[in-house]
Amino acid sequence: DGGITQSPKYLFRKEGQNVTLSCEQNLNHDAMYWYRQDPGQGLRLIYYSQIVNDFQKGDIAEGYSVSREKKESFPLTVTSAQKNPTAFYLCASSVRLSFTDTQYFGPGTRLTVL
Amino acid sequence: DQQVKQNSPSLSVQEGRISILNCDYTNSMFDYFLWYKKYPAEGPTFLISISSIKDKNEDGRFTVFLNKSAKHLSLHIVPSQPGDSAVYFCAASALRGTGNQFYFGTGTSLTVIP
Repeated sequence: DGGITQSPKYLFRKEGQNVTLSCEQNLNHDAMYWYRQDPGQGLRLIYYSQIVNDFQKGDIAEGYSVSREKKESFPLTVTSAQKNPTAFYLCASSVRLSFTDTQYFGPGTRLTVL
Repeated sequence: DQQVKQNSPSLSVQEGRISILNCDYTNSMFDYFLWYKKYPAEGPTFLISISSIKDKNEDGRFTVFLNKSAKHLSLHIVPSQPGDSAVYFCAASALRGTGNQFYFGTGTSLTVIP
């Protein structure tokens, strides 16, 4: 059963702590993405990766870091430098990095920083 | 700066009637447009797309219309069903100038009343 998994569904952290959100896909897709959704706003791109060991900053990369050591995994670390980390985080993948390739999304992780 | 806008946060429609969801964009470079549907606590799922070389694309009950001169697209759902109740996001991308990035609108929450 192919798809994208994100864990955990809900995450609580204390202010000042780094936290890593997991994203795994078994669709054999080359490209992967991280988005953030806030109330009243569209999805905003944090980071994306075209291929293993490569990733690029999106519009709101400050305070975040990623790695792409394996094709199927693209974890996102929310660092203490991110000023407003509480949000809904969505991971996505597509066959390749292309302006027409459909992105397939995971179920999301809701991060709350206390 | 929101390049893709959905000015109606919510819409209610009677079952069996037509639902029309609207989306406006500002970047004339956008070549490709998509609609995604999102249920609560799930990631968005792809619904339908349209290339800028067309002005209409149809898939079953769903039709997307593109008016390039007005920088406007709309999604028509006919007939609307209760299972269509969800948040709908439009997204846009460009062959050049946006690095294959998709820009998402803020979403419209559709409620179909039985």
